[in-house]
Amino acid sequence: GAGVSQSPRYKVTKRGQDVALRCDPISGHVSLYWYRQALGQGPEFLTYFNYEAQQDKSGLPNDRFSAERPEGSISTLTIQRTEQRDSAMYRCASSLGQGATEKLFFGSGTQLSVL
Amino acid sequence: TQLLEQSPQFLSIQEGENLTVYCNSSSVFSSLQWYRQEPGEGPVLLVTVVTGGEVKKLKRLTFQFGDARKDSSLHITAAQPGDTGLYLCAGAVSNYQLIWGAGTKLIIKP
Repeated sequence: GAGVSQSPRYKVTKRGQDVALRCDPISGHVSLYWYRQALGQGPEFLTYFNYEAQQDKSGLPNDRFSAERPEGSISTLTIQRTEQRDSAMYRCASSLGQGATEKLFFGSGTQLSVL
Repeated sequence: TQLLEQSPQFLSIQEGENLTVYCNSSSVFSSLQWYRQEPGEGPVLLVTVVTGGEVKKLKRLTFQFGDARKDSSLHITAAQPGDTGLYLCAGAVSNYQLIWGAGTKLIIKP
């Protein structure tokens, strides 16, 4: 596709359920990031992939959060046993190359609501 | 803890006025980026600055990176309603990781 695609756009779940959020980056983009963004705030880093390798997961809040990018393209962020505090906008971003000066392309995000 | 502080948090001005927003930290960054975000969308890159003292212009927007690479400013000349949005700065703390400010919410009234 032309841009970074995230699905679902909205996810409402009950506390204790598992959720999987999908990110389809721009074709050929090497780097993929997951961020969490509160309303009116800047993105908060969760994890970073270089191709299929998860190079940094230091931003994942706890071990209920995990992410994978098995073939170096589509990525899934999984939250197990969701809690109300997990409610947020989850954004994926990709860049063509590696490096902090690369242009990040963001998806429209998945708004997660845990009831 | 590395922090990026943006000021003001909120700014509402009339079309045609000039404005400056700031991004400050006690940390040194190897590079810094400015993004604009509109409601319901992801941030969109405006500029990347790398060298201390660097000035970049993008039409009516002027970006400056501080000499010590700890701060940056964004100046908009003759603001237009289309400039409305959340302006975010992001500083590089590693070769891939950015830390983000909380943003300046800018409203330009016609």
